Amino acid sequence: KAGVTQTPRYLIKTRGQQVTLSCSPISGHRSVSWYQQTPGQGLQFLFEYFSETQRNKGNFPGRFSGRQFSNSRSEMNVSTLELGDSALYLCASSLATGREAFFGQGTRLTVV
Amino acid sequence: AQTVTQSQPEMSVQEAETVTLSCTYDTSESDYYLFWYKQPPSRQMILVIRQEAYKQQNATENRFSVNFQKAAKSFSLKISDSQLGDAAMYFCAYRSALASNYQLIWGAGTKLIIKP
Repeated sequence: KAGVTQTPRYLIKTRGQQVTLSCSPISGHRSVSWYQQTPGQGLQFLFEYFSETQRNKGNFPGRFSGRQFSNSRSEMNVSTLELGDSALYLCASSLATGREAFFGQGTRLTVV
Repeated sequence: AQTVTQSQPEMSVQEAETVTLSCTYDTSESDYYLFWYKQPPSRQMILVIRQEAYKQQNATENRFSVNFQKAAKSFSLKISDSQLGDAAMYFCAYRSALASNYQLIWGAGTKLIIKP
């Protein structure tokens, strides 16, 4: 069974640009969550999607958005990038009745 | 709001010995899940062990076990017979048992160093 797949693994963008990150969950998993990991703030919850609906949202500005498709794949978008958006972005998937979250390898975003 | 605290930024242990990582949390909920995740240099977050709050019995997974003290809101991880491959960041995480909320709340992490 394939794990959670995040693409791309690495990304370098310029301030002011926008970026889209992709996450393919484990087959059968309908919940996808996104987290931002930085040395200063640690791991912070961005949002969670379940059956194409955003179910929960963390405390991030509106520049951070996401969506989920009918096949449960999810994308997150960050517009008007700032230097502080440089981080490891982790995606996790869970079963509808699941307790555990399974993580992808992350996308390392660097904003210059 | 729930919080998770890991007070040990770094721990070191001799290979083959036992080490305990500490975690405390705060919540007003009665039903929830607690997790320990491991993040090696590869960055992928790997589930180590899970504990349901309604279970009194401490969870065990091979060399990994927890000491769950619900009243004290404490959730420590014991690693027995430490191996070089155990070197990683370890994160304690909390999740509500509400079906509509899969958000994980994380501690700051503990860096575990294994001395050969």
